[in-house]
Amino acid sequence: EVQLVESGGGLVQPGGSLRLSCSASGFTFSSYSMQWLRQAPGKGLEWVSAISSTGTYINYADSARGRFTISRDNSGNTLYLQMSSLGPDDTAVYYCVRVGPYCDYWGQGTLVTVSS
Amino acid sequence: DIVMTQSPDSLAVSLGERATINCKSSQTLLYSSNNKNYLAWYQQKPGQRPKLLIYWASTRESGVPDRFSGIGSGTDFTLTISSLQAEDVAVYYCQQYYGTPYTFGRGTKLEIK
Repeated sequence: EVQLVESGGGLVQPGGSLRLSCSASGFTFSSYSMQWLRQAPGKGLEWVSAISSTGTYINYADSARGRFTISRDNSGNTLYLQMSSLGPDDTAVYYCVRVGPYCDYWGQGTLVTVSS
Repeated sequence: DIVMTQSPDSLAVSLGERATINCKSSQTLLYSSNNKNYLAWYQQKPGQRPKLLIYWASTRESGVPDRFSGIGSGTDFTLTISSLQAEDVAVYYCQQYYGTPYTFGRGTKLEIK
């Protein structure tokens, strides 16, 4: 069974940093591209970043470029999102998603709240 | 960026009736080399993570009831629920995965009339 479990969310002050993790199991992690998506409270879905199976190719949304860094550890079956210079607009549930190339499996999400 | 325009924003349909949701992209999602439309539909029930319903515009994901169907090509797509059930109350999103950023429609909230 495919499982994606995010962690690392929480309350952070404006300008702060946070590192999200996504532990993957039930499939060959190193064979799949992965993405982070987010959903602000009561709002729609927003694509944040994508990384290819080997980590060679990386893309970011304009809202994330220069502040967020996506990475992966294929030996540990883990996806990461390092976020810095966080602002109130970054408050959202962040989802780890397997790509096939559509979003076929989603984690349960981790809530990031940016507030003083 | 490819803009995805969904309509309507909300929809109320009686149980057993048909529900239709439209999605229009600002540029073609049909990749000529493989003749595939890079369009997916997702369902998000209250308090839950999104769930994949349809990919390649018309291929139903395993386990998705056959009352859900997708049609369309190029820039115009439709998700149809042929006979609405109570468990179909949700927000539905279309998404293009033709090119980054992989944009979503704003969502259509489906309710029971």
